[in-house]
Amino acid sequence: GENVEQHPSTLSVQEGDSAVIKCTYSDSASNYFPWYKQELGKRPQLIIDIRSNVGEKKDQRIAVTLNKTAKHFSLHITETQPEDSAVYFCAASIGGAQKLVFGQGTRLTINP
Amino acid sequence: GAVVSQHPSWVICKSGTSVKIECRSLDFQATTMFWYRQFPKQSLMLMATSNEGSKATYEQGVEKDKFLINHASLTLSTLTVTSAHPEDSSFYICSVTGLAGFEQFFGPGTRLTVL
Repeated sequence: GENVEQHPSTLSVQEGDSAVIKCTYSDSASNYFPWYKQELGKRPQLIIDIRSNVGEKKDQRIAVTLNKTAKHFSLHITETQPEDSAVYFCAASIGGAQKLVFGQGTRLTINP
Repeated sequence: GAVVSQHPSWVICKSGTSVKIECRSLDFQATTMFWYRQFPKQSLMLMATSNEGSKATYEQGVEKDKFLINHASLTLSTLTVTSAHPEDSSFYICSVTGLAGFEQFFGPGTRLTVL
């Protein structure tokens, strides 16, 4: 079945610097790749997503890139702020279905 | 995005009892809902797919007789943890797919503690 690997598990950056989180997936039929932000005890919040027919998508300080050939996708956060501190999860659809498989998560800490 | 609620937000129960968790889609009709379980400091694990008007589809390793799912209407799905044990203590979260059919929007979660 689909497997999603996420790295790093923890990431600490200085406020204002950029953060990059990477994920790889195994199912070449996956066509939808969302990123979620989860604060302690809260629900995961969709922050950005990308479909397989697009290589890059940007929304203000957040961007996602997708390399279908290599089967990996990345989250880029620029000009990081303390409120960006949270756990971030990548996910990939299982084939063309609506089901998602999640990566292990990255705990991002922004140091003021 | 979709607005999803869950009830209760937290519950404590004794071992051997059953607990029902409700998931509601508040702003549109959802034919498909998903149930996840999240242990502390771990990722979300899909338990089952809930389809309105039909039986739920369970992921491998999830006991369907222990985790009963009922999707009785287009806005409500329930998860019942039967004969709960301490190892069932977890954060249970439901999600709803958006109108585009790809995005998943999550409920606030239910923290279950079994004593």
